[in-house]
Amino acid sequence: DQQVKQNSPSLSVQEGRISILNCDYTNSMFDYFLWYKKYPAEGPTFLISISSIKDKNEDGRFTVFLNKSAKHLSLHIVPSQPGDSAVYFCAASGPNYGGSQGNLIFGKGTKLSVKP
Amino acid sequence: GAVVSQHPSWVICKSGTSVKIECRSLDFQATTMFWYRQFPKQSLMLMATSNEGSKATYEQGVEKDKFLINHASLTLSTLTVTSAHPEDSSFYICSAKDSFPNYGYTFGSGTRLTVV
Repeated sequence: DQQVKQNSPSLSVQEGRISILNCDYTNSMFDYFLWYKKYPAEGPTFLISISSIKDKNEDGRFTVFLNKSAKHLSLHIVPSQPGDSAVYFCAASGPNYGGSQGNLIFGKGTKLSVKP
Repeated sequence: GAVVSQHPSWVICKSGTSVKIECRSLDFQATTMFWYRQFPKQSLMLMATSNEGSKATYEQGVEKDKFLINHASLTLSTLTVTSAHPEDSSFYICSAKDSFPNYGYTFGSGTRLTVV
């Protein structure tokens, strides 16, 4: 039972255009969501996060939108750059999930390719 | 920002031997560390939560006698894969959570284990 779903395994975008990566979740207890970027054979690096009390968080070219009623979030990258090509993981956490530590639950990732 | 050092980055071992992977928080104290495993084209799956000074909490289906976790100090957690088999070949990643909000999940660079 996958609680965090990234239904698009891959996405190809032209440089300069917008990249939109989607993520759905099923557990209403999740209250914090994060996006990570991962290159092959490396650990994930944190990109941006959003608390469930917000519906948008922006950091430079990256914006995360949260629709709690739909249990859906998305990461927008604009403008997209070739260096953005990587696998993007959506992750969710909740205060009660996994005990007080609140470990992360990851989606399967979406491989973004930004073509010059 | 927070840095987590994971060592080794890759290891090849013979079937039946044991391999130890280290995860260190370099500039913060991590009372909790997490160990993940990632198979190709799959999401990062939480294996266990490592708590300093106490026993690790293993996720369902993860053999605690096979994947030994030791978190003897606030900056070091180790994962030992005992009696490794080819099916244990995978990418193992640790993460640490410091005292900051949830964005304080910092990942190590990962360890590629190949059992031959």
